Amino acid sequence: DQQVKQNSPSLSVQEGRISILNCDYTNSMFDYFLWYKKYPAEGPTFLISISSIKDKNEDGRFTVFLNKSAKHLSLHIVPSQPGDSAVYFCAASASETSYDKVIFGPGTSLSVIP
Amino acid sequence: NAGVMQNPRHLVRRRGQEARLRCSPMKGHSHVYWYRQLPEEGLKFMVYLQKENIIDESGMPKERFSAEFPKEGPSILRIQQVVRGDSAAYFCASSPPSVEQGSSGWIKNIQYFGAGTRLSVL
Repeated sequence: DQQVKQNSPSLSVQEGRISILNCDYTNSMFDYFLWYKKYPAEGPTFLISISSIKDKNEDGRFTVFLNKSAKHLSLHIVPSQPGDSAVYFCAASASETSYDKVIFGPGTSLSVIP
Repeated sequence: NAGVMQNPRHLVRRRGQEARLRCSPMKGHSHVYWYRQLPEEGLKFMVYLQKENIIDESGMPKERFSAEFPKEGPSILRIQQVVRGDSAAYFCASSPPSVEQGSSGWIKNIQYFGAGTRLSVL
């Protein structure tokens, strides 16, 4: 039972254009969401997060949008750069737990074409 | 401040041998998580530990797998009698202690990941 879904295994975008990575979740108790980025042969690194009390969080070229009613979030990267080519993992957790267990989606591999 | 350190980076074992994966969390972090990434798949939660305690091992296979985080030293993920299906990348992450935010729940912490150990079982 996959609680966090990323239905696009891969995405190709031209440099300078917008990249939109999507994520859906099924557990209504999730109220904190994160995006991690992973390069080959490295561990995931934290990118951006959003709490359910917000519907948008922005950090430079990265913006995450949250639609609680649809149980959907998306990561926008604009403008996309070749260095953004990586696997992006969506993750979710619930504040009812005192520890930081997160559930990861399967990831979307982004390729930014120069 | 050194990041999360995992060693070895690569580990080759023959079927039936034991694999020991080590993880030293970031300084000041008392929470350790282990994840497994099978080829072409995402990160699967295995176990969450605090110093000397296993808090959640719901993602750990019932047999052959064990984890510990002693008072002194790194966290160890041990796989006994390895089989080919154990071949994967194993990632460790750490985070600082959680902070309760009154009736609003717990302030969530970011997990910082190590570079992983790639286990190959021949």
